[in-house]
Amino acid sequence: LAKTTQPISMDSYEGQEVNITCSHNNIATNDYITWYQQFPSQGPRFIIQGYKTKVTNEVASLFIPADRKSSTLSLPRVSLSDTAVYYCLVGDISHSGYALNFGKGTSLLVTP
Amino acid sequence: DTAVSQTPKYLVTQMGNDKSIKCEQNLGHDTMYWYKQDSKKFLKIMFSYNNKELIINETVPNRFSPKSPDKAHLNLHINSLELGDSAVYFCASSPTSGVRAYEQYFGPGTRLTVT
Repeated sequence: LAKTTQPISMDSYEGQEVNITCSHNNIATNDYITWYQQFPSQGPRFIIQGYKTKVTNEVASLFIPADRKSSTLSLPRVSLSDTAVYYCLVGDISHSGYALNFGKGTSLLVTP
Repeated sequence: DTAVSQTPKYLVTQMGNDKSIKCEQNLGHDTMYWYKQDSKKFLKIMFSYNNKELIINETVPNRFSPKSPDKAHLNLHINSLELGDSAVYFCASSPTSGVRAYEQYFGPGTRLTVT
């Protein structure tokens, strides 16, 4: 499984766009990039997943450059309720027994 | 409707006891998992099951035994509980095939405290 590096913490004000970048220099050809969100005292929640270029859903956008060695999760106009830990995961789940490899995550704090 | 449910939500017990945590999913998924999140918030895979068969068993003491009576249930039984077993245990499920397998649905967690 590819090793990922992401900031330990980030702060933002309400209404701002937040971009969390994850480095994964040794990403393999078949690896996908997946982001999860975890609120305190809850299980992680799937946010978005991609392989290359850009993916957008109702919650976030995921930008992946051509070399795929990094990815950026973009949260538009964050609110207080977006305060959570965000995990970047990279791997080929079919070869890992379908297990997700969670790292330390980025703790995002949104303030008024 | 709760997608992935776990019982109990809290479990306080003494060292040496045996306890079980139950997990049920109503999503029709073929694959289920147990994860452990320790006090430092690291979330690690313990087991994964596909169609009631064990497909991954990370370095977990054999005091931990998962049991899958059917595709919708994956229970975790823990023998001879130790202080170090105190953690939050999450059950999860996902489809097996394709990219949807990356989209795992987690239960609310069971906070186990061993005294």
